[in-house]
Amino acid sequence: EVQLVESGGGLVQPGGSLKLSCAASGFTFSGSAMHWVRQASGKGLEWVGRIRNKANSYATAYAASVNGRFTVSRDDSENTAFLQMNGLKTEDTAVYYCARFDEIALVPTPNWGQGTLVTVSS
Amino acid sequence: DIQMTQSPSSLSASVGDRVTITCRASQGISNYLAWYQQKPGQVPELLIYAASTLQSGVPSRFSGGGSGTDFTLTISSLQPEDVATYYCQKYNSAPLTFGQGTKVEIK
Repeated sequence: EVQLVESGGGLVQPGGSLKLSCAASGFTFSGSAMHWVRQASGKGLEWVGRIRNKANSYATAYAASVNGRFTVSRDDSENTAFLQMNGLKTEDTAVYYCARFDEIALVPTPNWGQGTLVTVSS
Repeated sequence: DIQMTQSPSSLSASVGDRVTITCRASQGISNYLAWYQQKPGQVPELLIYAASTLQSGVPSRFSGGGSGTDFTLTISSLQPEDVATYYCQKYNSAPLTFGQGTKVEIK
Protein backbone atom coordinates (compact mmCIF):
# COMPACT_ATOMS: atom_id res chain seq x y z
CA GLU A 1 0.00 0.00 0.00
CA VAL A 2 1.33 3.40 -1.01
CA GLN A 3 1.68 5.82 1.87
CA LEU A 4 2.88 9.39 2.06
CA VAL A 5 3.04 10.86 5.54
CA GLU A 6 3.87 14.50 6.08
CA SER A 7 5.21 15.86 9.35
CA GLY A 8 6.86 18.96 10.73
CA GLY A 9 4.03 21.45 10.51
CA GLY A 10 3.21 23.86 13.30
CA LEU A 11 3.10 27.47 14.41
CA VAL A 12 5.98 29.72 13.45
CA GLN A 13 6.51 33.48 13.61
CA PRO A 14 6.86 35.59 10.47
CA GLY A 15 10.43 35.45 9.24
CA GLY A 16 10.96 32.07 10.83
CA SER A 17 11.84 28.69 9.35
CA LEU A 18 10.28 25.26 9.29
CA LYS A 19 11.22 21.97 7.64
CA LEU A 20 8.53 19.58 6.50
CA SER A 21 9.13 15.88 5.86
CA CYS A 22 7.27 13.45 3.64
CA ALA A 23 7.92 9.80 4.47
CA ALA A 24 7.11 7.46 1.60
CA SER A 25 6.45 3.73 1.45
CA GLY A 26 4.85 1.16 -0.81
CA PHE A 27 6.43 2.26 -4.09
CA THR A 28 9.79 2.75 -5.75
CA PHE A 29 10.79 6.12 -4.30
CA SER A 30 13.79 6.43 -6.60
CA GLY A 31 11.50 6.22 -9.63
CA SER A 32 9.37 9.12 -8.51
CA ALA A 33 9.47 12.87 -8.47
CA MET A 34 8.09 14.40 -5.29
CA HIS A 35 5.96 17.51 -5.33
CA TRP A 36 4.66 19.86 -2.67
CA VAL A 37 1.24 21.48 -2.98
CA ARG A 38 -0.39 23.81 -0.48
CA GLN A 39 -3.89 25.01 0.24
CA ALA A 40 -4.80 27.98 2.39
CA SER A 41 -8.05 27.68 4.29
CA GLY A 42 -10.99 28.09 1.94
CA LYS A 43 -8.71 28.62 -1.06
CA GLY A 44 -7.61 26.60 -4.06
CA LEU A 45 -4.64 24.34 -4.63
CA GLU A 46 -1.25 25.98 -5.20
CA TRP A 47 1.70 24.03 -6.55
CA VAL A 48 4.78 24.88 -4.47
CA GLY A 49 7.71 22.95 -5.88
CA ARG A 50 9.19 19.60 -6.85
CA ILE A 51 12.32 17.52 -6.94
CA ARG A 52 12.90 14.97 -9.67
CA ASN A 53 14.72 11.69 -9.22
CA LYS A 54 18.42 10.84 -9.58
CA ALA A 55 17.98 9.88 -13.25
CA ASN A 56 16.79 13.43 -13.82
CA SER A 57 19.64 14.95 -11.82
CA TYR A 58 17.44 15.75 -8.81
CA ALA A 59 16.24 18.82 -10.69
CA THR A 60 14.18 21.22 -8.61
CA ALA A 61 11.61 23.84 -9.57
CA TYR A 62 9.52 26.27 -7.55
CA ALA A 63 6.50 28.51 -7.76
CA ALA A 64 7.38 32.18 -8.09
CA SER A 65 5.72 32.88 -4.72
CA VAL A 66 8.26 30.74 -2.84
CA ASN A 67 11.33 30.83 -5.09
CA GLY A 68 14.40 31.82 -3.10
CA ARG A 69 12.75 31.06 0.24
CA PHE A 70 11.78 27.39 -0.03
CA THR A 71 14.00 24.42 -0.90
CA VAL A 72 12.88 20.91 -1.84
CA SER A 73 15.26 18.03 -1.17
CA ARG A 74 15.14 14.26 -0.79
CA ASP A 75 16.95 11.37 0.85
CA ASP A 76 16.48 8.28 -1.30
CA SER A 77 18.12 6.07 1.35
CA GLU A 78 15.33 7.07 3.77
CA ASN A 79 12.53 7.32 1.17
CA THR A 80 11.82 10.83 2.40
CA ALA A 81 11.29 14.19 0.76
CA PHE A 82 11.70 17.51 2.51
CA LEU A 83 10.49 21.08 2.17
CA GLN A 84 12.71 23.63 3.89
CA MET A 85 10.82 26.88 4.35
CA ASN A 86 12.71 30.05 5.28
CA GLY A 87 11.61 33.64 5.56
CA LEU A 88 8.05 32.56 6.23
CA LYS A 89 5.25 35.03 5.65
CA THR A 90 1.69 35.07 6.95
CA GLU A 91 0.52 34.24 3.43
CA ASP A 92 2.41 30.93 3.62
CA THR A 93 -0.16 29.69 6.14
CA ALA A 94 -1.70 26.60 4.59
CA VAL A 95 -2.02 22.84 4.64
CA TYR A 96 1.01 21.42 2.83
CA TYR A 97 0.68 18.18 0.89
CA CYS A 98 3.35 16.03 -0.68
CA ALA A 99 2.43 14.14 -3.84
CA ARG A 100 4.13 11.58 -6.05
CA PHE A 101 4.76 11.96 -9.76
CA ASP A 102 5.73 8.91 -11.81
CA GLU A 103 9.06 9.66 -13.52
CA ILE A 104 8.84 6.53 -15.68
CA ALA A 105 5.42 7.13 -17.24
CA LEU A 106 5.73 10.92 -16.76
CA VAL A 107 2.27 11.23 -15.25
CA PRO A 108 0.84 12.35 -11.92
CA THR A 109 -0.27 9.63 -9.55
CA PRO A 110 -3.16 9.44 -7.10
CA ASN A 111 -0.70 9.32 -4.21
CA TRP A 112 -0.99 12.29 -1.89
CA GLY A 113 -0.30 12.62 1.81
CA GLN A 114 -2.90 13.75 4.31
CA GLY A 115 -1.22 17.12 4.69
CA THR A 116 0.42 19.04 7.51
CA LEU A 117 -0.73 22.47 8.69
CA VAL A 118 1.70 25.36 8.75
CA THR A 119 0.57 28.50 10.55
CA VAL A 120 2.65 31.65 10.27
CA SER A 121 1.57 34.14 12.89
CA SER A 122 2.96 36.36 15.61
CA ASP B 1 4.49 31.10 -17.09
CA ILE B 2 1.41 29.38 -18.46
CA GLN B 3 -1.83 30.31 -16.73
CA MET B 4 -4.72 27.88 -16.28
CA THR B 5 -8.24 29.30 -16.27
CA GLN B 6 -11.28 27.25 -15.34
CA SER B 7 -14.90 28.06 -16.03
CA PRO B 8 -17.33 28.34 -14.50
CA SER B 9 -16.09 29.09 -10.97
CA SER B 10 -19.15 27.36 -9.60
CA LEU B 11 -22.23 25.59 -10.87
CA SER B 12 -25.41 24.11 -9.54
CA ALA B 13 -27.08 21.22 -11.35
CA SER B 14 -29.67 18.56 -10.72
CA VAL B 15 -28.98 14.90 -10.08
CA GLY B 16 -28.70 13.16 -13.44
CA ASP B 17 -27.65 16.29 -15.33
CA ARG B 18 -24.68 16.35 -17.67
CA VAL B 19 -22.07 18.75 -16.34
CA THR B 20 -19.09 20.16 -18.22
CA ILE B 21 -16.19 22.13 -16.77
CA THR B 22 -13.70 23.91 -19.01
CA CYS B 23 -9.99 24.53 -18.45
CA ARG B 24 -8.02 26.80 -20.74
CA ALA B 25 -4.24 27.09 -20.87
CA SER B 26 -2.66 30.38 -21.92
CA GLN B 27 -0.26 28.42 -24.16
CA GLY B 28 -0.37 24.97 -25.66
CA ILE B 29 0.38 22.09 -23.30
CA SER B 30 -0.35 19.16 -25.64
CA ASN B 31 -2.27 16.65 -23.49
CA TYR B 32 -0.29 17.18 -20.26
CA LEU B 33 -3.35 17.92 -18.20
CA ALA B 34 -4.82 16.32 -15.09
CA TRP B 35 -8.14 16.75 -13.28
CA TYR B 36 -8.60 16.41 -9.53
CA GLN B 37 -11.66 16.19 -7.33
CA GLN B 38 -11.56 17.55 -3.81
CA LYS B 39 -14.46 16.93 -1.47
CA PRO B 40 -14.84 19.17 1.60
CA GLY B 41 -12.25 18.36 4.24
CA GLN B 42 -10.54 15.73 2.08
CA VAL B 43 -7.32 15.32 0.14
CA PRO B 44 -7.53 15.93 -3.62
CA GLU B 45 -8.06 12.81 -5.70
CA LEU B 46 -6.75 12.27 -9.21
CA LEU B 47 -9.58 11.68 -11.68
CA ILE B 48 -7.97 11.99 -15.10
CA TYR B 49 -4.48 12.39 -16.52
CA ALA B 50 -3.13 12.84 -20.02
CA ALA B 51 -6.28 14.91 -20.63
CA SER B 52 -8.54 11.91 -21.17
CA THR B 53 -7.18 8.84 -19.34
CA LEU B 54 -9.41 7.82 -16.46
CA GLN B 55 -7.53 6.97 -13.28
CA SER B 56 -8.19 3.42 -12.10
CA GLY B 57 -11.24 3.20 -9.86
CA VAL B 58 -12.83 6.44 -11.03
CA PRO B 59 -16.46 6.04 -12.14
CA SER B 60 -16.97 5.97 -15.89
CA ARG B 61 -19.42 8.91 -15.73
CA PHE B 62 -16.31 11.10 -15.57
CA SER B 63 -14.54 11.83 -18.83
CA GLY B 64 -11.95 14.28 -20.06
CA GLY B 65 -11.15 15.73 -23.44
CA GLY B 66 -9.16 18.31 -25.29
CA SER B 67 -5.63 19.03 -26.33
CA GLY B 68 -3.43 22.05 -26.80
CA THR B 69 -5.10 24.88 -24.90
CA ASP B 70 -8.73 23.83 -24.36
CA PHE B 71 -9.82 20.98 -22.13
CA THR B 72 -13.05 19.69 -20.62
CA LEU B 73 -14.12 17.55 -17.71
CA THR B 74 -17.57 16.06 -18.14
CA ILE B 75 -19.76 14.28 -15.63
CA SER B 76 -22.32 12.45 -17.74
CA SER B 77 -24.91 12.02 -14.98
CA LEU B 78 -24.31 14.08 -11.84
CA GLN B 79 -24.58 12.15 -8.58
CA PRO B 80 -24.88 13.49 -5.01
CA GLU B 81 -21.41 12.15 -4.19
CA ASP B 82 -19.93 14.32 -6.95
CA VAL B 83 -20.40 17.46 -4.86
CA ALA B 84 -16.85 18.76 -4.73
CA THR B 85 -14.41 21.29 -6.12
CA TYR B 86 -12.66 20.25 -9.32
CA TYR B 87 -9.21 21.44 -10.36
CA CYS B 88 -7.22 21.11 -13.55
CA GLN B 89 -3.40 21.05 -13.48
CA LYS B 90 -0.85 21.30 -16.26
CA TYR B 91 2.22 19.11 -15.97
CA ASN B 92 4.14 19.53 -19.23
CA SER B 93 6.78 21.60 -17.42
CA ALA B 94 7.28 23.54 -14.21
CA PRO B 95 5.53 25.38 -12.72
CA LEU B 96 2.77 22.78 -12.55
CA THR B 97 -0.01 25.34 -12.22
CA PHE B 98 -3.52 24.52 -11.05
CA GLY B 99 -6.69 26.17 -12.27
CA GLN B 100 -8.60 28.18 -9.68
CA GLY B 101 -11.19 25.45 -9.18
CA THR B 102 -14.84 24.84 -10.01
CA LYS B 103 -17.27 24.18 -7.19
CA VAL B 104 -20.05 21.78 -8.13
CA GLU B 105 -23.24 21.69 -6.09
CA ILE B 106 -26.58 19.91 -6.35
CA LYS B 107 -29.62 22.05 -7.17
